[in-house]
Amino acid sequence: DTAVSQTPKYLVTQMGNDKSIKCEQNLGHDTMYWYKQDSKKFLKIMFSYNNKELIINETVPNRFSPKSPDKAHLNLHINSLELGDSAVYFCASSQAGTGGSKQYFGPGTRLTVT
Amino acid sequence: TQLLEQSPQFLSIQEGENLTVYCNSSSVFSSLQWYRQEPGEGPVLLVTVVTGGEVKKLKRLTFQFGDARKDSSLHITAAQPGDTGLYLCAGPSSGGSNYKLTFGKGTLLTVNP
Repeated sequence: DTAVSQTPKYLVTQMGNDKSIKCEQNLGHDTMYWYKQDSKKFLKIMFSYNNKELIINETVPNRFSPKSPDKAHLNLHINSLELGDSAVYFCASSQAGTGGSKQYFGPGTRLTVT
Repeated sequence: TQLLEQSPQFLSIQEGENLTVYCNSSSVFSSLQWYRQEPGEGPVLLVTVVTGGEVKKLKRLTFQFGDARKDSSLHITAAQPGDTGLYLCAGPSSGGSNYKLTFGKGTLLTVNP
């Protein structure tokens, strides 16, 4: 069984469009994250939710809006896509309170904006 | 902001060679984690080091946490093509929050057969 899954795996779209990426985890974890990995492989946190509550928002443009309908799901909606949004987006989850916060990552969504 | 500097950025070696990659910071971390990311996949946790001076072994991989908890190293003995991947170190942010990890920029390792 896949622990953290994301859809779609690949997303190609034009500038100005709005798109969503979905994430689900079946690990029973309380905390979920969105990361952005740029072309140089730098992995940077964007958002974190704990039990459906936003706890980290790392100066991400407000065109990006996460939503957590329940603690097993964290979706990312992006409005008015720009060329600079092209990257691989990773969803991750962890069990809150775990020392060192081991994170489980999804397979990533490669977003290409043309 | 706590930063983690990894070196080297790229490393290409032949099968059977040994190598060491480094993760350094000017800040103290309560723990450090090492992840490996294979092409087209998400990072996977290899190990967490918690105590200053701690050494952990995972088959041919040896991880060490510096005495001052500001740096860590990963040594691979007799590297194999299956070790190819991006190695990332990460540490929890200051303030004690376990929710946020700061990642280094990674070492991209290629092991040639």
